[in-house]
Amino acid sequence: AQSVAQPEDQVNVAEGNPLTVKCTYSVSGNPYLFWYVQYPNRGLQFLLKYITGDNLVKGSYGFEAEFNKSQTSFHLKKPSALVSDSALYFCAVRDLRGSGNTPLVFGKGTRLSVIA
Amino acid sequence: DTEVTQTPKHLVMGMTNKKSLKCEQHMGHRAMYWYKQKAKKPPELMFVYSYEKLSINESVPSRFSPECPNSSLLNLHLHALQPEDSALYLCASSLQPTGVGEKLFFGSGTQLSVL
Repeated sequence: AQSVAQPEDQVNVAEGNPLTVKCTYSVSGNPYLFWYVQYPNRGLQFLLKYITGDNLVKGSYGFEAEFNKSQTSFHLKKPSALVSDSALYFCAVRDLRGSGNTPLVFGKGTRLSVIA
Repeated sequence: DTEVTQTPKHLVMGMTNKKSLKCEQHMGHRAMYWYKQKAKKPPELMFVYSYEKLSINESVPSRFSPECPNSSLLNLHLHALQPEDSALYLCASSLQPTGVGEKLFFGSGTQLSVL
């Protein structure tokens, strides 16, 4: 089965500093990876995805992620953090079912706190 | 319209009640999903509808009964729930159910409390 792991429950960073939220994956076959963000009392919002192609993927709100096949990682990054980036971040992977359905399976989430 | 709308936003019910959660999207998406999310945990897949047909049931107890009346609507009927079923119930949709690059659009969820 496809899975992702987020090793950090919490990441704290000062406003203006670069941020990294880590994700590693375990898949059979090609990885199809996603990042979502969840603000309090809200649903999840899509940030970016890696399907194929360039290892550096750019997404919404200035976020980017680097796909590293040798390290089986897909870390989320942003050059300069904002207080408004404080939220819960989920890494996700496509679960390729034999039925043809491809639902998303989420990591446990990482809470990002950006301190002014 | 790029929204997934869920109603109600909050629901409190007793263990003998029957209630329904509703989800609506008008993006022409042909896959719709129910996820359950406990506090500080990731969303867990419950059901997937593909072209209005139930295609995935993640061994969800029968006290949860999904329904997809048409391509825009998704319901989750609740009956005889337990306190441990209290959670945020998220609806999502995607254009196609099988594309590996398809992104999911989520509603804001229904916060359910079972007393």
